[in-house]
Amino acid sequence: DAMVIQNPRYQVTQFGKPVTLSCSQTLNHNVMYWYQQKSSQAPKLLFHYYDKDFNNEADTPDNFQSRRPNTSFCFLDIRSPGLGDAAMYLCATSRDKTYEQYFGPGTRLTVT
Amino acid sequence: RKEVEQDPGPFNVPEGATVAFNCTYSNSASQSFFWYRQDCRKEPKLLMSVYSSGNEDGRFTAQLNRASQYISLLIRDSKLSDSATYLCVVNLGTGGFKTIFGAGTRLFVKA
Repeated sequence: DAMVIQNPRYQVTQFGKPVTLSCSQTLNHNVMYWYQQKSSQAPKLLFHYYDKDFNNEADTPDNFQSRRPNTSFCFLDIRSPGLGDAAMYLCATSRDKTYEQYFGPGTRLTVT
Repeated sequence: RKEVEQDPGPFNVPEGATVAFNCTYSNSASQSFFWYRQDCRKEPKLLMSVYSSGNEDGRFTAQLNRASQYISLLIRDSKLSDSATYLCVVNLGTGGFKTIFGAGTRLFVKA
């Protein structure tokens, strides 16, 4: 049974058109993360929530925002996607900050 | 210096070979350590957590040397299905929490 679910699996958006990616978890984990991964590169942490506490990485562009309305769901909003934002977006969860992370299958974003 | 560095790879090995992956980290305050496996166009999957005492899971053995700030992963009797990218992951823990992935080492196991 899927424990970290991401929707949609594939998303095509136009340059500058806002897009929202979603993540849900059945693990009841405290921490949820969003990563960006481009081809042949390691995942890059964008931000994470520890419960309702939002933590942004210093180099995450302002174009990326996140919401966590409850324990189970977390959203990634890209306000004005550029061609450089085309990537795989991975959601992960962990019980606490130093624990192992469990990843969803990712959403592959294409920007046209 | 990168915060987490791995062997650049790729590694090309025959079936049955033993292969070792190395990873170094720069921040001595790092608290937890993991190896993940990532198949092409898939999400990373946890392979092993890494403990100071070392840990083993079947053909896989992980070691941590805090003094040298070094982590290793050994795969014995490699299988075709072991072909993947292996990612070293370090958590800085509480306070200035940060998760850092190494760039990954690609492994190709051939028949």
